[in-house]
Formats: sequence, structure tokens, C-alpha cells
Amino acid sequence: AQSVTQLGSHVSVSEGALVLLRCNYSSSVPPYLFWYVQYPNQGLQLLLKYTSAATLVKGINGFEAEFKKSETSFHLTKPSAHMSDAAEYFCAVSDGANYGGSQGNLIFGKGTKLSVKP
Amino acid sequence: ETGVTQSPTHLIKTRGQQVTLRCSSQSGHNTVSWYQQALGQGPQFIFQYYREEENGRGNFPPRFSGLQFPNYSSELNVNALELDDSALYLCASSSSGGQGGKSAFGSGTRLTVV
Repeated sequence: AQSVTQLGSHVSVSEGALVLLRCNYSSSVPPYLFWYVQYPNQGLQLLLKYTSAATLVKGINGFEAEFKKSETSFHLTKPSAHMSDAAEYFCAVSDGANYGGSQGNLIFGKGTKLSVKP
Repeated sequence: ETGVTQSPTHLIKTRGQQVTLRCSSQSGHNTVSWYQQALGQGPQFIFQYYREEENGRGNFPPRFSGLQFPNYSSELNVNALELDDSALYLCASSSSGGQGGKSAFGSGTRLTVV
């Protein structure tokens, strides 16, 4: 069974500082990995996804993540935090089931709330 | 292109009642998945619909049921509501095309059971 663990339910950084949100996964098959962002009272917005192409994935809003198979990790980074980055971030893994050719169901971590201090 | 829309945005129901939540998929998407997000938790997969049939289900009881219509829109029905059903219900639509297919989430329906 696949699972995702996000280390740290809350992360606080200063504006302009490096953002690092940690995600480790467990999967018996090559995984597809995702990072989503959720603003208060909103749905989920896809930041980036790994689908077995390049191990360094660049996403929107300056975020990127690196797939490291040896560490079973897919940490999310951004060189310089902005106040608008304050939100909750979810790492997810696809269970690989080929539900009609779509991405199958997503298994989410519990989320990391990012606060950005001025 | 039109995104995923969900209705209603907020809903209050009494324990034991039944509720129907609606989702219009994004243009060009033929698959709909439903998720339940309890407060402070990550979303949990309820089920997925493809070609109007349930095509995968998470660990939810049968009182959670759904439909998909020919235009790919979908409904989530929950019978005999319990207090623990209070959550944000998210709908995601996606297109066929393997793991690289595109998907999008709606803004959700906030259900409160009292």
C-alpha cells in the first residue's frame, strides 16, 4: 500500500528565506508524486508533479521538488519565500491504478501549514 | 476553459438526513473523483467515476454513493448523515491519458452535520 508522510505540520519562515517542506513516500511501484497548495476555504491547486521524467521538477510560483528514490523523498523547495506563499501544502502519491487511464486516486499526506513572517 | 465547479459551497444538515453534492467537471475531462477532507487532515479518496460507472472506491461505507452523467458531471450522495461526515468535500476531474493526464480540483462543498 502506498502512503505519504509529511514531516512537520507547521513550518514558519521569514520573508525571503528558503522554504523547505518535507515529504517521504512509500510505494511498491514506481510512484507518481504531487504537491498541492490549499489557501483558506479553497480547493487544491497543483504546484507540480513527478511522472518519472526528470527527477527535478519545476512548478508554479517558483517552487520545485526533487525526486530521490534512494531516500524515498520528494521535498518541496522555494529559494525565497513570499508572504503570498502562506498556505497549507499537501504531498500526494498516486496509487498507480489505471482508472480509465486517469491518474487514479491520490493518497495525501496530512499537510504542512506554511507561515511567512515579514 | 471552464474549471471544476461544485455546489453548494456550504451546507448544514441534521444527523440522519441525506445530502446531495454536485460537481461539474472541467471541459474536456471525462473522469471525476470525490474526496473528503476533515478539518486539519489531508483529503481522503471516496470514489471515482469514469464512463458513468464507479471505477474505484476508498474506505467509505455504502451510504456514500455517487452518479456520473453523460456530460461527465457528477453527484455525491450521503445517506444517514453522521456528525463525523462534517468535512470539506472536494471534487476533482481529470482526462484520460495515463498518469500524465491533466486534473483539476473544485473549491469544495463545506458540509456541517449538527
